[in-house]
Amino acid sequence: EVQLLESGGGLVQPGGSLRLSCAASGFTFSNYAMSWVRQAPGKGLEWVSAISGRGGNTYFADSVKGRFTISRDNSKNTLFLQMNSLRAEDTAVFYCAKGFNWMDYYGMDVWGQGTTVTVSS
Amino acid sequence: QSALTQPASVSGSPGQSITISCTGTSSDVGGYNYVSWYQQHPGKAPKLMIYDVSNRPSGVSNRFSGSKSGNTASLTISGLQAEDEADYYCSSYTSSNTVVFGGGTKLTVL
Repeated sequence: EVQLLESGGGLVQPGGSLRLSCAASGFTFSNYAMSWVRQAPGKGLEWVSAISGRGGNTYFADSVKGRFTISRDNSKNTLFLQMNSLRAEDTAVFYCAKGFNWMDYYGMDVWGQGTTVTVSS
Repeated sequence: QSALTQPASVSGSPGQSITISCTGTSSDVGGYNYVSWYQQHPGKAPKLMIYDVSNRPSGVSNRFSGSKSGNTASLTISGLQAEDEADYYCSSYTSSNTVVFGGGTKLTVL
């Protein structure tokens, strides 16, 4: 069974940092692009970042560019999101999601259950 | 990148059909056949319902269909059922190599 399991969320002060992880299983992880998508409380979905299958290409929403970094460890089937300079408006449930192939991240066919990030003093 | 425009809410009775629109620009919806639709029940993760404008993933009911005309994509649900009540989001690839979502549409089955 294809599964994604996020972890690493929590409460952090404004200006702080947090690293999210997403453990993948049930598919050949390196063959697929991966994305992070977030959802603020009571709000809609917002795409955050994506990375190609081998990690050579990364993409970011303007709202997080320069503050967030996406990476992956294909030997451990794990996706990461390093979040720095966090702001209150970054408070959200963060989902990791699987793309259609090694390069196509625009569609996401498998989603994790999400991990909650709260930025507050 | 501005969010795609969706109606905030739509409703229909069991057995009826409804259509949810998703309007963007020539830099996203109109420029690529990379529109997807997601269903999200409260407290749950999104589920892919339609990809590449009109394709259904395996396991998704054929009551769900997608289309596109110009800068507007549409999701149609026929034979409405109670379990279809959920939030629906469209998304599109953009000319900036990003992905943009719509604001979401709450579907109420009366």
